[in-house]
Amino acid sequence: DTGVSQNPRHKITKRGQNVTFRCDPISEHNRLYWYRQTLGQGPEFLTYFQNEAQLEKSRLLSDRFSAERPKGSFSTLEIQRTEQGDSAMYLCASSLAASMGGYTFGSGTRLTVV
Amino acid sequence: KNEVEQSPQNLTAQEGEFITINCSYSVGISALHWLQQHPGGGIVSLFMLSSGKKKHGRLIATINIQEKHSSLHITASHPRDSAVYICAVPAGGTSYGKLTFGQGTILTVHP
Repeated sequence: DTGVSQNPRHKITKRGQNVTFRCDPISEHNRLYWYRQTLGQGPEFLTYFQNEAQLEKSRLLSDRFSAERPKGSFSTLEIQRTEQGDSAMYLCASSLAASMGGYTFGSGTRLTVV
Repeated sequence: KNEVEQSPQNLTAQEGEFITINCSYSVGISALHWLQQHPGGGIVSLFMLSSGKKKHGRLIATINIQEKHSSLHITASHPRDSAVYICAVPAGGTSYGKLTFGQGTILTVHP
């Protein structure tokens, strides 16, 4: 297993376009988390899944944002009608629900909206 | 909600110096994470600890659950240690699940 994989690593898009990011967690991890990090700040929680169920969504996740984990494995985060304020690093992490360890982060997707 | 405060926000050191970064949180927890982030890079987990002390190479992490405080120490610092160091705790006092992060400490080690 190569850890948590995120694609793409970088994305530049024009304002108003839709973008989709993908996260492949560690295969045996049943929890998956999305965080957003803006410059100079610590990451902020967006949403998480246990298996295919989306258990919690932050109020930061406006209706332009949607996340899915259709088969309980990989997850996608889509942003519709991007705005310049969406420019950030989007981080994915995974863990085992019943374990205090194994919390693993991906390398992130850096989004720039121009 | 768990509030996390780190200090200092910025730290500059000369190669070889002993480094200490502090983290305080507001709600009792059972474990705390220390993370490292290089410029433009993803986050790497350094430690998860629930009591006492852990050591990995030149890195040492301590935690005092009663005082709601943790420290990350770097001995014999090196320029390659330059990065952002972030502490994170389970949100709402849970032992796993979503994390609340500190703002990060930007460490620069000069040769």
